[in-house]
Amino acid sequence: DIQMTQSPSSLSASVGDRVTITCRASQGIRNDLGWYQQKPGKAPKRLIYGVSTLESGVPSRFSGSGSGTEFTLTISSLQPEDSATYYCLQHNYYPWTFGQGTKVEIK
Amino acid sequence: EVQLSESGGGVIQWGGSLRLSCTASGFTFSTFGISWVRRAPGKGLEWVAAISYSGTDTYYADSVKGRFIISRDNSKNTLYLQMRSLRAEDTAIYYCTIFNYWGQGTLVTVAS
Repeated sequence: DIQMTQSPSSLSASVGDRVTITCRASQGIRNDLGWYQQKPGKAPKRLIYGVSTLESGVPSRFSGSGSGTEFTLTISSLQPEDSATYYCLQHNYYPWTFGQGTKVEIK
Repeated sequence: EVQLSESGGGVIQWGGSLRLSCTASGFTFSTFGISWVRRAPGKGLEWVAAISYSGTDTYYADSVKGRFIISRDNSKNTLYLQMRSLRAEDTAIYYCTIFNYWGQGTLVTVAS
């Protein structure tokens, strides 16, 4: 099975800060990686698919990058509404696997 | 408008069985693979199972393999998850998803 190691597990940052979250796959997963945001009491929402393609309606401050085994989600200027938990998901090999999640808090 | 709506959750005794349903609308259900994903209390998201658009191919997380069965009825635009031998660690909100769309989730609580 492919392990997705996500870091950090949590972070606290100020409005306007640049935030970076990383996922490392235990083996290559091509471009089969997405990023999801989940707020308390809500269903997850896909932000990015195919490593770097922004989902329609998602603010442009979110971006994704990476290749092979290392992938990054960046929030260029953190906003109060970005307080949430973020997950990566690989869908290259079954069983598909999520990263452990990163809880983002606003200082 | 795409909608996914789960049902069938509830409180079930340890070792019991439960069947979840997910009714889809607003898209051509029979042309999409679809998955179940869960989130246990205090834990992260866990992919549970997936089924191909035709229902021919199914895939499972190791944690549920041999206990859960995913199936679909394309004539009814409905996805199912038959869960058996339920354990405390199966307690979670279960979502059906095609990943750009998610249902609201249904809560399964396994009581000892």
